[in-house]
Parts: sequence; C-alpha cells; structure tokens
Amino acid sequence: DAGVTQSPTHLIKTRGQQVTLRCSPISGHKSVSWYQQVLGQGPQFIFQYYEKEERGRGNFPDRFSARQFPNYSSELNVNALLLGDSALYLCASSFPGLATDTQYFGPGTRLTVL
Amino acid sequence: DAKTTQPNSMESNEEEPVHLPCNHSTISGTDYIHWYRQLPSQGPEYVIHGLTSNVNNRMASLAIAEDRKSSTLILHRATLRDAAVYYCILRDPPTGANSKLTFGKGITLSVRP
Repeated sequence: DAGVTQSPTHLIKTRGQQVTLRCSPISGHKSVSWYQQVLGQGPQFIFQYYEKEERGRGNFPDRFSARQFPNYSSELNVNALLLGDSALYLCASSFPGLATDTQYFGPGTRLTVL
Repeated sequence: DAKTTQPNSMESNEEEPVHLPCNHSTISGTDYIHWYRQLPSQGPEYVIHGLTSNVNNRMASLAIAEDRKSSTLILHRATLRDAAVYYCILRDPPTGANSKLTFGKGITLSVRP
C-alpha cells in the first residue's frame, strides 16, 4: 500500500511569494495534519483536518491556511513568505477513532525562502 | 499540553540494548505516552505507545514507571539503522479528530559499529 505522499519534494521561493504544498493520505485515512519542522527542532503542529473540516490549529499566523478535499487529500498554503518560513513541511494522515490512531508521516516538502 | 524532558543525545554500540529515558512529571491520568522516531531525511514514524502497563512490539519495548512520571524506550539490539531522533510525546486526547502530536527536541541516538 502507498504511504503518505507529498509534493513537491523541494521548493525554492523568494520573500513575499505564495506557495501551495500538497498531501495525499493513506487510502482510507480521513484525517490529515500539517507540521512545520525547522532545522534542529521537532515538528510543530500547524493544522488538523478531519472530514474536510478544520479540527485544530497551532500557533501560526493567518498567512498559513489549509483545506481538505472530498478525496481527503489536502493543501497547505502560505502567503507572503518570510525567510523564517524556510522549513520541512510534513503531512501526516490517520484514522481517528482507532485505539492507536497512529499518525503516518510523509517524507515532507523542503521549502527554502530566499 | 503536558511536557516531556529528554536528554539531548545518547550513544550506543551496535547489537547492544539501548535505554532512552523520558521524564513527564506533569502527566495527567488520561495522557498516553507515545514514541516516534525520525530517521535522517525522513518524516517521523510511530514506534510504540502505552498508558500504564509496559508494552512490547516488534520494534521496541516501553517501560512505564509506576507513578507514570517517567518512561523508558528500550531497543533490545541496536542496529545502525536505529540511529535517529527519538521523540517522547504525551498525547491527550489519545485519539479522535482533535488529537495532535506535540513534539519536543527529542533525543538523538548515535549507534557505533
């Protein structure tokens, strides 16, 4: 079975631009979460979506937005990019309701803002 | 979210057991203890989780103190492929649409051949 897939794998943008990152969850998983991981730190929670509704939001500015589609795939959008947005963006999918509710992570999208 | 404290790094020899400690003195009665690990250039992956009792799976064992204020992840025979950052995470609620993972810095495990 395919795991969580993310695209693109790498991306270079300049300050002020906008970026869209994409995530396809594991088949059957209805929840998608987004995390930001800057170099040397653990991942930080950005958003969680379940059944196309936002169920949780981390401490990130409104420049960050996301949505989930009927097929449970998801997009993360970041507007007005800052140098500090350079990071690895991770997507995780899960099936809430199971006892373990393990989150399965994709390989991430490496965003570099120049 | 309740906090966890882990050493910054540990070293181990290949094929020897490794004990990775985690302190969580403010743990609540409903917090589950989860461990994830992140291999170089990969996303995190689930290792194990538990609530009160010690747990075993094919990857590792989790030993939970009786007062639940600390736990230890045990890798029975470390291999070079186990070199990674290991995260100890308290998760509440343990599942459901509102559950999220709160990562700290984790502990970097190095394995010597």
